[in-house]
Amino acid sequence: KAGVTQTPRYLIKTRGQQVTLSCSPISGHRSVSWYQQTPGQGLQFLFEYFSETQRNKGNFPGRFSGRQFSNSRSEMNVSTLELGDSALYLCASSLAGLAGGEQYFGPGTRLTVT
Amino acid sequence: QQQVKQSPQSLIVQKGGISIINCAYENTAFDYFPWYQQFPGKGPALLIAIRPDVSEKKEGRFTISFNKSAKQFSLHIMDSQPGDSATYFCAASGKDNFNKFYFGSGTKLNVKP
Repeated sequence: KAGVTQTPRYLIKTRGQQVTLSCSPISGHRSVSWYQQTPGQGLQFLFEYFSETQRNKGNFPGRFSGRQFSNSRSEMNVSTLELGDSALYLCASSLAGLAGGEQYFGPGTRLTVT
Repeated sequence: QQQVKQSPQSLIVQKGGISIINCAYENTAFDYFPWYQQFPGKGPALLIAIRPDVSEKKEGRFTISFNKSAKQFSLHIMDSQPGDSATYFCAASGKDNFNKFYFGSGTKLNVKP
């Protein structure tokens, strides 16, 4: 079974631009979560989607948004990029609709904002 | 407020030794505690997980010990190998969090040959 895939793997953007990252979960998984990983702040939860609905959201500004499609694929968008948005963005998928199930991460998208 | 505290920040162990990483949590509503292993340039990989109804879970060389009353859990890596050199993260989630996981700050493990 294929794992979680994320595209693109690397991205360089300029401050003020916007960016869209894509995540395809493991086949059959309906829950997709997004995390930001930085050396200073570690792994921080952005939001989680299940059956196209956002169920939970972390403490990030409104510039960070996401959505999920009917095939469970998810996209994350960051508008008006700031230098501090440079990070590894990780997507994780889970089979269970219930909380606290096994969660599998993709390889991440490395975003660099210049 | 940091929901999950992890220590140590870094760890050096000789090949064949035991690596021990500790985590403590605050929220008693947490009921699922996974450990992840991350190699440079890769996403975290689920290693082993435990729920509060058991005090210990073992999978191969990896063991989680769980102390509900102390709100602590730890990862033991027996017979540590150089290939185990990676960053390890503990995490916690609860029924009401809908897959929102709180992660520890990570432990960089270096196993010396």
